[in-house]
Amino acid sequence: GAGVSQSPRYKVAKRGQDVALRCDPISGHVSLFWYQQALGQGPEFLTYFQNEAQLDKSGLPSDRFFAERPEGSVSTLKIQRTQQEDSAVYLCASSLSRGSGNTIYFGEGSWLTVV
Amino acid sequence: AQRVTQPEKLLSVFKGAPVELKCNYSYSGSPELFWYVQYSRQRLQLLLRHISRESIKGFTADLNKGETSFHLKKPFAQEEDSAMYYCALSRSYGQNFVFGPGTRLSVLP
Repeated sequence: GAGVSQSPRYKVAKRGQDVALRCDPISGHVSLFWYQQALGQGPEFLTYFQNEAQLDKSGLPSDRFFAERPEGSVSTLKIQRTQQEDSAVYLCASSLSRGSGNTIYFGEGSWLTVV
Repeated sequence: AQRVTQPEKLLSVFKGAPVELKCNYSYSGSPELFWYVQYSRQRLQLLLRHISRESIKGFTADLNKGETSFHLKKPFAQEEDSAMYYCALSRSYGQNFVFGPGTRLSVLP
């Protein structure tokens, strides 16, 4: 594909509502990452997949956050019972494989506002 | 713990002036350092990485392990360099980056 695609681009959720954010990585990319970027901050790591396996979820802030990549391509980040502090840009990134020699490519992000 | 600091939130320079964006890190292992850039209304993209020792768009960065720094430099800033710049550290085993808070570079005409 042309790049990492994320949807929705913008989401306004009422506090307590569940949301699902989708990421379409570049075709053939094995590694997929989710980052959270709060206003005025740098991106913070949430979780990492290699194919369908979630190898690292140490950055997920609470058990309300859940990510999956069941077929090793598209990934969904789900946030249950959203709270105002969840308001942020959620960035997805992918790379051909793990390893520092491989460039990771970011999507444009999903902007979540919880009101 | 891994940490990346960028002391300047905003840096303004005039076109043609030299620019240096500061980055310091703390990491117990052998870090890999990167600079990412985000131009207005565009996605985050890799600018350069220390292991390749390359110069992209006239920017260079040298890893100084003694000072734990990876400052980004360009001798003559251009207006199109105006963007948000993030310094990032990759843990040695993979690509789970730790990003700094970012510096907004504004190059004035």
